[in-house]
Amino acid sequence: DIQMTQSPSTLSASVGDRVTITCRASQSINDWLAWYQQKPGKAPKLLIYRASTLETGVPSRFSGSGSGTEFTLTISSLQPDDFATYYCQHYENFSRTFGQGTTVEIK
Amino acid sequence: EVQLVESGGGLVQPGRSLRLSCVASGFRFGDFAVSWVRQAPGKGLEWISFIRSNTYGGTTEYAASVTGRFAVSRRDSNSIAYLQMNSLKTEDTGVYYCTRTLLRTGTDLGYFDSWGQGTLVTVSS
Repeated sequence: DIQMTQSPSTLSASVGDRVTITCRASQSINDWLAWYQQKPGKAPKLLIYRASTLETGVPSRFSGSGSGTEFTLTISSLQPDDFATYYCQHYENFSRTFGQGTTVEIK
Repeated sequence: EVQLVESGGGLVQPGRSLRLSCVASGFRFGDFAVSWVRQAPGKGLEWISFIRSNTYGGTTEYAASVTGRFAVSRRDSNSIAYLQMNSLKTEDTGVYYCTRTLLRTGTDLGYFDSWGQGTLVTVSS
């Protein structure tokens, strides 16, 4: 199985900060990567697919980049609504593994 | 508006069975694959099963953790997907999400663009 490792596990930031979350795959997944946002008690929400394509309706302050084994999710200017847990997920092969999540909390 | 609504969760003893349902609306259900993703309490997300549209053969796939115990099916005429869970274990406890799955061309692999609200399954004696 392809392992997905996110860093950091927790991130403390303030409104207006630029935030970057990293997701590393244990082997190349090309650009078959999605990012999701989950708030407590709610279902995850798709933010980005194919590593860098923004899902319709997602604010442009979110962006994704990377290919192969290293990927980043960037929030250019953190907003109050962005405090949540973020997950990456590959769809390169059968395992469809998620990362363990990164929680963005208020500093 | 795309909507997915799960039901059927609850408290069940180890070794028993449960069937979850996922009713879809707002899109042509028969054109899309469906996946089930679960989340243990306080933990991350785990993909567990997939079913392709019947138009494309209704292929199913399962994670190793549920293979042989869970079975996914669908009734496109009623826009419903099911997850039959047998021989339940305490480690199956969690929230189960139904998702619409968008596929890479020519594969059964994809990402989850719409999610239901989830249904809680608790396996305990």
